[in-house]
Amino acid sequence: TQLLEQSPQFLSIQEGENLTVYCNSSSVFSSLQWYRQEPGEGPVLLVTVVTGGEVKKLKRLTFQFGDARKDSSLHITAAQPGDTGLYLCAGELDSWGKLQFGAGTQVVVTP
Amino acid sequence: KAGVTQTPRYLIKTRGQQVTLSCSPISGHRSVSWYQQTPGQGLQFLFEYFSETQRNKGNFPGRFSGRQFSNSRSEMNVSTLELGDSALYLCASSRAGTGMTGELFFGEGSRLTVL
Repeated sequence: TQLLEQSPQFLSIQEGENLTVYCNSSSVFSSLQWYRQEPGEGPVLLVTVVTGGEVKKLKRLTFQFGDARKDSSLHITAAQPGDTGLYLCAGELDSWGKLQFGAGTQVVVTP
Repeated sequence: KAGVTQTPRYLIKTRGQQVTLSCSPISGHRSVSWYQQTPGQGLQFLFEYFSETQRNKGNFPGRFSGRQFSNSRSEMNVSTLELGDSALYLCASSRAGTGMTGELFFGEGSRLTVL
C-alpha cells in the first residue's frame, strides 16, 4: 500500500475547466512537495509546502497543505493543454533524503 | 547550468544479466537519490548517497546496489535481472545537506527492459 494516496488516478477535462487533485496520508509530514512529470522526462518540482494550513499559488495552480500536515491538494484554475502531465505528491517523513511519493494523478487537458 | 544526466537512456537486457546505470548530478549537488518508476507502483525509493556514503535505503532486495564517487557521480547496479525489474530508473540530485531533503532535480531516466 502507498503511504501517500493520490486521487483521482486519472482526470480528463476540457480546456478552461477547473480541477483538484488530492494527496492523503495517515502520517504527518515535515514537508510536502508537488511535482509534474511529462512523457519522456523526469519529474519537475512545482512547489514545497512546510507549514500546516499553508497555501501557495503558482499562477493558475493553488497548493494547500492540511492543518495537520497529513494531506495536501492541488487546484488548477482554467486548465490549459500545457497542464497535461502526471502530478506527483511527495512527503518527507524524516530527514536524510527519503521522500515518499504518491502513485500520481494523470491529468489530460484537451483543447 | 547542465541538468542531471543519466546514461544510458534505454537498454534491453535478458533475465539473469546485470546492468549498471550512471548518473551525473548537477554541479555542486552532493546528494544523489535513485528511484524506480513503474506504472503499477509509481516512484519507489531505492537509495540516497551523500558525500560517497549511502545515507538512506529503500525496501529493495540486495540485488540492487549503488555507489557514489568523489565527484558526486553515482552508479546503480542490478544483478541477476528479473522480468519485474523492467522500469524507468530515475536519478535525482539535490543541494541538500545534513538533515534535509530539499528540492530534487531529476534526470530523464534510464528505461530498462528485461526480456
